[in-house]
This record gives sequence, C-alpha cells and structure tokens, in this order.
Amino acid sequence: AQTVTQSQPEMSVQEAETVTLSCTYDTSESDYYLFWYKQPPSRQMILVIRQEAYKQQNATENRFSVNFQKAAKSFSLKISDSQLGDAAMYFCAIKEETSGSRLTFGEGTQLTVNP
Amino acid sequence: ETGVTQTPRHLVMGMTNKKSLKCEQHLGHNAMYWYKQSAKKPLELMFVYSLEERVENNSVPSRFSPECPNSSHLFLHLHTLQPEDSALYLCASSQILGRVGSYNEQFFGPGTRLTVL
Repeated sequence: AQTVTQSQPEMSVQEAETVTLSCTYDTSESDYYLFWYKQPPSRQMILVIRQEAYKQQNATENRFSVNFQKAAKSFSLKISDSQLGDAAMYFCAIKEETSGSRLTFGEGTQLTVNP
Repeated sequence: ETGVTQTPRHLVMGMTNKKSLKCEQHLGHNAMYWYKQSAKKPLELMFVYSLEERVENNSVPSRFSPECPNSSHLFLHLHTLQPEDSALYLCASSQILGRVGSYNEQFFGPGTRLTVL
C-alpha cells in the first residue's frame, strides 16, 4: 500500500522569500501521479501542481515548482517569491495507476508567511 | 453556484440525532468522494461513487451511510455518531476517464465542520 510522509508539520517563510516543503512516499508501482494540494483557512482544497511519475522533467506552475526524485521517492514543493496568500496547509498526495481514483494524502504542512 | 458546494458548513449534533450532509458538484463530473479530515491526520477516504455506483467503501462504520441519487449530488447520512466522529467532512468530484495512463484531478468542496456532543 502506498504511504505519504510530510516530515514538517509547520514551516514559515518571509514574504518574497523561497520555501521548500518536503514529501516522501512509498509505492511498489512504477506508474503513479503525485500532487500538492493547498488548503487555505477557508478550507477549500485546491490543486497546486501535479507530476506524472513517467515524466523526468519537474513540473512547474508559475511560482510553484517541484523537485521530483523518483529513485529517492521524494517530491518536494518549492514556492518562490512567497506571498501572504500562500499561507495555508499543504498536502502531498499520491495516486497509483492501479488504485482506481484513490488518493493517499500526507499529514500536511502548515505554512505561515510573515510580512 | 460553481465548483463543488457543501451544506451545511457547520453542524453540531448529539449522539442520538440523525442528520445529513449534502454535496453538489456543478462540473459535470462522473465520480464523487467523501473524505474525513481530522486534526493532525491525513485525509481519510471514506466512499467513492462512480457513475452513481459505490465503488469503494473503506471500512467505514455503518453509522455513516452514503447516498448518490445522481451524478451531481452526494449525501452522507449520519446516525448515532460518536464524539470521535467530530471532524471536517470533505466532498470531492472528478471525471474518471476509464483508461490507463489518464487521471483527472479531484475538485474539493469547502467541507462541513461536524461536532458531535
């Protein structure tokens, strides 16, 4: 069974600085998808970025990018030029190709952005 | 209304009450999900409905009873809950394409904060 570990319960960053959130996972499959979701205080969870395991190139979405290390089973999220609106709980998640539509989430990292 | 909506946003109930949570998706998706989010724990998938048929039930106690009357609506009927059932209940929807190598993201609602006294 797949597992996801986020070892940083809380992180903080100064506005305009860069922060990296860690995520490691375990899976026995070679085909899977990885995600970072953001849950702001309003609680609506939204997708930040996704990565297909077969793609070697790291995904990028504006100020958000990932460092995907397949061999190490690591999937960190880098937020550049942090903004106050980035403050939220961030969840890492995995979906294996054979697991239907099941997403397995980590415990989350609470990110605080200091002005 | 757009996206995924959930009502009520907050619910307080006693252990002997019967209540229902409602979820509606306006995205034309064919799959809907119920998750439980407790403090300092990963989101727990409770139920999955695909094309209005329950395809996954993750050992959820029978005091939680889902219902999916059509592809746009999902209910979670609650009966004789326990205080440890207090949590944020999230609904999500997605479009399942049914072919290998494809996956569409899940869109989440704002959740219902449930407190069981």
